[in-house]
Amino acid sequence: AQTVTQSQPEMSVQEAETVTLSCTYDTSESNYYLFWYKQPPSRQMILVIRQEAYKQQNATENRFSVNFQKAAKSFSLKISDSQLGDTAMYFCAFMKSTGANSKLTFGKGITLSVRP
Amino acid sequence: DGGITQSPKYLFRKEGQNVTLSCEQNLNHDAMYWYRQDPGQGLRLIYYSQIVNDFQKGDIAEGYSVSREKKESFPLTVTSAQKNPTAFYLCASSIDLGTYEQYFGPGTRLTVT
Repeated sequence: AQTVTQSQPEMSVQEAETVTLSCTYDTSESNYYLFWYKQPPSRQMILVIRQEAYKQQNATENRFSVNFQKAAKSFSLKISDSQLGDTAMYFCAFMKSTGANSKLTFGKGITLSVRP
Repeated sequence: DGGITQSPKYLFRKEGQNVTLSCEQNLNHDAMYWYRQDPGQGLRLIYYSQIVNDFQKGDIAEGYSVSREKKESFPLTVTSAQKNPTAFYLCASSIDLGTYEQYFGPGTRLTVT
């Protein structure tokens, strides 16, 4: 079974600065996907970024980028130029890439506060 | 606009009553999912459905039931057997079961007293 661990329950960052959210996972699979989801106060879950395990290049989406370390089973999210609208809970998630049992396994989440 | 709707946003029930949460999607997705979210916990999978008239238990299915009679609809019933039903419930869908991108609805907050 896969597990996803987010050990920091809360973080705070000053507007315009950079923050990194940590995530580790445990799996015996070689092919899989990793995700970061954002849940703002509205509670609507929004996909921020995804990473395919077979790709060595780290995924980037505008101000959001990941540091994917497959051997260390680490998947951190870096938010550059933090904005007030980035205030939200962020969830790291794992999915096996194939098969009828492919489903998302989520970490417990981290609450990020961006200070003006 | 395509998307997932969940209604109502807030739901209140007395202990011992069954309650059904609605989830509708017009994205033409085959796969649909129900998750439960509790404070300090990530999302946990209750049930999922790959196709009409087929559904599978997730990690915490006890005390819940689902049906999938139409592609667009995947209602979740929280039965009186669910010991701690008060939670935030999220419905999601994806093109198919192996597709990585899931789209989420706005959620329903269920309070049972």
